[in-house]
Amino acid sequence: QSALTQPPSASGSPGQSVTISCTGTSSDVGSYNYVSWYQQHPGKAPKLIIYEVNKRPSGVPDRFSGSKSGNTASLTVSGLQAEDEADYYCSSYAGSDNVVFGGGTKLTVL
Amino acid sequence: QVQLVQSGAEVKKPGASVKVSCKASGYTFTGYYMHWVRQAPGQGLEWMGWINPSSGGANYAQKFQGRVTMTRDTSISTAYMELSSLRSDDTAVYYCARTLSYGPGSWGQGTLVTVSS
Repeated sequence: QSALTQPPSASGSPGQSVTISCTGTSSDVGSYNYVSWYQQHPGKAPKLIIYEVNKRPSGVPDRFSGSKSGNTASLTVSGLQAEDEADYYCSSYAGSDNVVFGGGTKLTVL
Repeated sequence: QVQLVQSGAEVKKPGASVKVSCKASGYTFTGYYMHWVRQAPGQGLEWMGWINPSSGGANYAQKFQGRVTMTRDTSISTAYMELSSLRSDDTAVYYCARTLSYGPGSWGQGTLVTVSS
């Protein structure tokens, strides 16, 4: 399976919104509503922030939202805060008991 | 609350094998698949496979088939990932993660495996 495609970097000023894309194929993102997003700060384990395209685990601020159109999923971070600066990864179920990750996006808060 | 505690850092020589453990607590161990994911230094996340702790059945990413074995011991709520024929490019942090709706949900703290002669 090929990795999902994410932009290497994204940025925004405090208070602004930023959207990160995650492009797959009709065999993964396009076929299943099992897209997840993770936030990872340096030296830390990843943290789940979105699952099933647009659901937030308990404790995740509603500034984080997810969506999907066709083969592309998106993560939007609204009201950017300094602590949102991190790496973000998407993942998708890819059928046949397989999961695939995106290459990751480094989000910089200017 | 869900807690996954992994074994400590390992240093291995090329060609050797490593076995990483992941002890689960705070939930019914056999009720959720367990993923294994690795991250090489400065690189992204790479899915290695998952195991069904209830049946012991596992599915491995094509890249690791033949080199990885995932097992579990339900009596101590612990999952294991063994990687053989280690190479320098296997140097990475290895994570276990309980599944949530097909994707990794709650993550362990990670285990650094260094492969060096």
